[in-house]
Order: sequence, then C-alpha cells, then structure tokens
Amino acid sequence: AQSVTQPDIHITVSEGASLELRCNYSYGATPYLFWYVQSPGQGLQLLLKYFSGDTLVQGIKGFEAEFKRSQSSFNLRKPSVHWSDAAEYFCAVGGSQGNLIFGKGTKLSVKP
Amino acid sequence: EAGVAQSPRYKIIEKRQSVAFWCNPISGHATLYWYQQILGQGPKLLIQFQNNGVVDDSQLPKDRFSAERLKGVDSTLKIQPAKLEDSAVYLCASSPTSASGRKYEQYFGPGTRLTVT
Repeated sequence: AQSVTQPDIHITVSEGASLELRCNYSYGATPYLFWYVQSPGQGLQLLLKYFSGDTLVQGIKGFEAEFKRSQSSFNLRKPSVHWSDAAEYFCAVGGSQGNLIFGKGTKLSVKP
Repeated sequence: EAGVAQSPRYKIIEKRQSVAFWCNPISGHATLYWYQQILGQGPKLLIQFQNNGVVDDSQLPKDRFSAERLKGVDSTLKIQPAKLEDSAVYLCASSPTSASGRKYEQYFGPGTRLTVT
C-alpha cells in the first residue's frame, strides 16, 4: 500500500536561512508526488507536483522539490525562508483512485 | 472562479449528538472528496464521489458516518452519533476530471473544525 513518511514533526529555521523538508514515499510504480502547505485556519494549497520528466520541480512561492527514485524521496527546498512561510507542510502521493495519501506533516516555524 | 465552499467553519457538539457538514465544489468539477484531518496528522480520505456515484468509501466508518452528493454537485457529510475521536477538521476537495494526471488536481475548501465534548 502507498504511504508517505515525513520524519520531522517540527522544524525551526531563521528568516533568510535555507530550508529542506524531508519526504519519503512507498509506492510500487512511478508515483505522482505533491507538496501542500496549510496555514492556520486555512485549507490546503498546492505548492508543486511531480508526475514525470525533470526530477527537479519548481513550485509557487520560491519552493522546489527533487524526486529521487533511488532514495524514494521527494524533499522540499527553499533557498531563503521568509516569515510568511511559517505553516504546516504536507507531502502526498497519488492513490490509485485519484485520491491523495498524505504524510503527517512538518510544522515550520521561522525565527526573526 | 469561486473556490470550494464549506459550512459551517466551526462546530461544537456533545458526544452522541449528530452533525452535518456541507460542501459546494468548484463549478463543473466532477470529483468530490471528503478528508478527515485529526490534529497532528495529515488528511485521510473518507469518501470519494465521481459525479453522484461513490468511487471509494473504504475508510468511511459506515456505522456512524454517511455522505451523499446531490445531483452530482453539493455534498453533505453526516455523523450520527458523534464520538470524542471524531474531533477533527473535515476537508472537502474537488477535482475537475478523472483524466490521467488531472485527477490529482485537487482544490481544497477551508474545512470544518469539529469539536466533540
């Protein structure tokens, strides 16, 4: 069965520092992979997605992610974090029926 | 284009009471999803509709949860009777088509936060 693991429950970074959020997936075939962001009281917003092709994917708000099949990973990165990036981030893999299977999320805090 | 609408945004009920949530998807979206997000966890699919038919309800606790999608547009999710462990955010999402690739293009509503006391 498909599953997603986000090893870090909570990460704190300083504003202007770089960020990497980890995501590992379990899926037999080539996965469809996603990163979503959820701000307090808000719904989920899609940051980026990987379906095929170039393994480095660019998203909104300056985020990017790299698909590494050999490591079953899809880590999210940003070179310089802004205070407004503080939120919870969810990695997800596409299920066979079109649903999404989410990890437990990583809460990002940003220090001034 | 209007987004996915959900109501109410917040609901507090006592255990054993019933509650209903409403979702209005983006116009023209064929697929509708209900997810349950318990505090500290990622969203988990409860039920998926394609137009007004159920595609997947394998994780819906059918002894207490029910859902319907009227005329393939709006949807309601009901819990009766509620338990303490039903406290969660209930997210509705819609998707424009089941065609390959785009079927994962889900748009989420703001959610309904349910507290069961």
